[in-house]
Order: sequence, then C-alpha cells, then structure tokens
Amino acid sequence: KAGVTQTPRYLIKTRGQQVTLSCSPISGHRSVSWYQQTPGQGLQFLFEYFSETQRNKGNFPGRFSGRQFSNSRSEMNVSTLELGDSALYLCASSLGDSDRRETQYFGPGTRLLVL
Amino acid sequence: GDSVTQMEGPVTLSEEAFLTINCTYTATGYPSLFWYVQYPGEGLQLLLKATKADDKGSNKGFEATYRKETTSFHLEKGSVQVSDSAVYFCALHQAGTALIFGKGTTLSVSS
Repeated sequence: KAGVTQTPRYLIKTRGQQVTLSCSPISGHRSVSWYQQTPGQGLQFLFEYFSETQRNKGNFPGRFSGRQFSNSRSEMNVSTLELGDSALYLCASSLGDSDRRETQYFGPGTRLLVL
Repeated sequence: GDSVTQMEGPVTLSEEAFLTINCTYTATGYPSLFWYVQYPGEGLQLLLKATKADDKGSNKGFEATYRKETTSFHLEKGSVQVSDSAVYFCALHQAGTALIFGKGTTLSVSS
C-alpha cells in the first residue's frame, strides 16, 4: 500500500506570496493532519480534516488554512508569507475512527523556504 | 495541558552500545504513546507504539514500555548501529486531540 505523499517536496517563495501544499493520504484513511516543524518550535499541530470538515485546529493565525476533498486528499494554504513560515510542513494520515487515538502515518514533508 | 518531555541530546554512542532515551509525559486520561524517528531530510516514521499501561512496543530492536506509575515511555536498544543515527521523537495522543510531541533527541552513532 502506498504511503502518504506530499507535493511539492521543496518550495522557495518570497515574502508576501502565497503557497499551496498538497497531501495524499494512505488509501482508506479519512483523516489528514498537518504539522509545522521548525528548529526553534519543534513540531506544532496546524489542523486536522476528516470527511472534508476541519475537526481540530492548532494555534496558528488565519493565514494558514486548509481543506479536504471527497477523495480525502488535502491541501493547506499559507497566504501573505512571512520569513518565519520557513519550515518543514508534514502531513499525516490515519483511519479517523471514533476512538481517534489511532496511529498517524507521516509523509516526507514539504520544505518551504521564504526569502 | 498534556505534554511530553524528552531528554536533551545530542546522544553520542559507539556502535554496539546500549541506548536509552528517556521520555516522560503529563496527561489526563489514557493516551496512546509513540516513538517516531526522523532521518536526515525525511519525514517522521513510526518506530513503535503502546496503547495502554504495561504494553511494550517493539520494532527493529527498539523497545519501550508504557509505565503509568512513572508516566514514562523510555526508548531502549541493546546494540545500536550507525544506521540508527537520527532524531527520535516521543509523542502522545489523546482521543479527539492532535499528537503532542517532545522536542526530539538527536542520536549519533559512530563506528
């Protein structure tokens, strides 16, 4: 079974631009979560989508948004990029069952550099 | 709120040495506990997990036991290899919430 895939793997943008990252979950997984990883803050949760609905959200500004499609693929968008948005963005998928403590499987990440 | 504390690295070992990376947690309820590993330039890979007290997770020679009485989930390996060099993250997951990670411990193994 194919793992979680993320595109693109690398991105360079300039301040003020916007960016869209894509994540395709493992087949059959309905929950997709996004995390930001930086050397200073470590791994921080952005949001989780399940059945096209956001059901959990971290403490990030509104410039960070996401969505999920009917095939469970997810995108996240960052508008008005700031230098501090430079990070590795990780997507994780899980079954999304009612227990909601199930294992999350991560993709390789998208490394975003904002100049 | 819930939190995870890992020992700070880097941890530097010679090949075939014994490895322990300490992890303690603070949580209400009964979380699942995980160890993830991140190799340079890659995403996170699940190493092992435990879902209830006294469970032992194991994989690729690594082991960790869910200790409720000490709120710990220490990672151990009897004989490390150069290929084990990576960053290791301890994490907990409560129902209905996101994964909460420790800050990560860098392991460097030399031959």
